[in-house]
Amino acid sequence: KAGVTQTPRYLIKTRGQQVTLSCSPISGHRSVSWYQQTPGQGLQFLFEYFSETQRNKGNFPGRFSGRQFSNSRSEMNVSTLELGDSALYLCASSLSGRASGETQYFGPGTRLLVL
Amino acid sequence: QQQVKQSPQSLIVQKGGIPIINCAYENTAFDYFPWYQQFPGKGPALLIAIRPDVSEKKEGRFTISFNKSAKQFSLHIMDSQPGDSATYFCAASFTGTASKLTFGTGTRLQVTL
Repeated sequence: KAGVTQTPRYLIKTRGQQVTLSCSPISGHRSVSWYQQTPGQGLQFLFEYFSETQRNKGNFPGRFSGRQFSNSRSEMNVSTLELGDSALYLCASSLSGRASGETQYFGPGTRLLVL
Repeated sequence: QQQVKQSPQSLIVQKGGIPIINCAYENTAFDYFPWYQQFPGKGPALLIAIRPDVSEKKEGRFTISFNKSAKQFSLHIMDSQPGDSATYFCAASFTGTASKLTFGTGTRLQVTL
C-alpha cells in the first residue's frame, strides 16, 4: 500500500506570496491532519479534515487554511507569507482520526522557505 | 501552552548503551501516548505507543515506562545501535481527537560506535 505522499517536496517563496501544499493520504484513510515543524516550536498541529470538513483546528492565524476533497486528498494554503512561516509542513493520515490508539501515518513533508 | 515536556534535548550514547528519553504531560484527559522516530528528510514514523492503564510496554528493543500518578512516561532503547540515531518525539492525544497529536519538543539521539 502506498504511503502518504506530499507535493511539492521543496518550495521557495517570498514574503507576501501565497502557497498551496498538497497531500494524498493512504488509500482508505479519511482523516488528514497537517502539522508545522520548526526547530524552535517543534511539531505543532494545524488542522484536521475528515469527510471534506475541518474537524479540529490548532492555534494558527487565519492565513493558514485547508480543504479536503471527496477522494480524501487535502490541500493547505498559506496566504500573505511571513518569514516565520518557513518550516517543514507535514501531512498525516489515519482511518478515522477519532479512535484512541489509531495510528497516524506521516508523509515526508514539504519544506517551505520564505525569503 | 506546552502540554508535553520532553527531555533531554539531545543525547549521545555508545553502541549497546540504553538511552532514556523522558516526557511529562499536564492534561490528564490524554489517553494515548505514542513515540515517533524521525530520520532526516523523512516524516515521523510511529515507534511504539502506550495507554495509561498499562505501566510498561515492550516492542523489540524499545520499551515505554508509564507512571500515571506522576504524569510521566519514558522511552528506553535497549542495546542501542548506530541505526537508531534519529530524533525521537513523544506525543499525546485523547479519545475523540486522536488525529490531533500534541508533541514533545524532540530528542536528537546519536549512537556512536
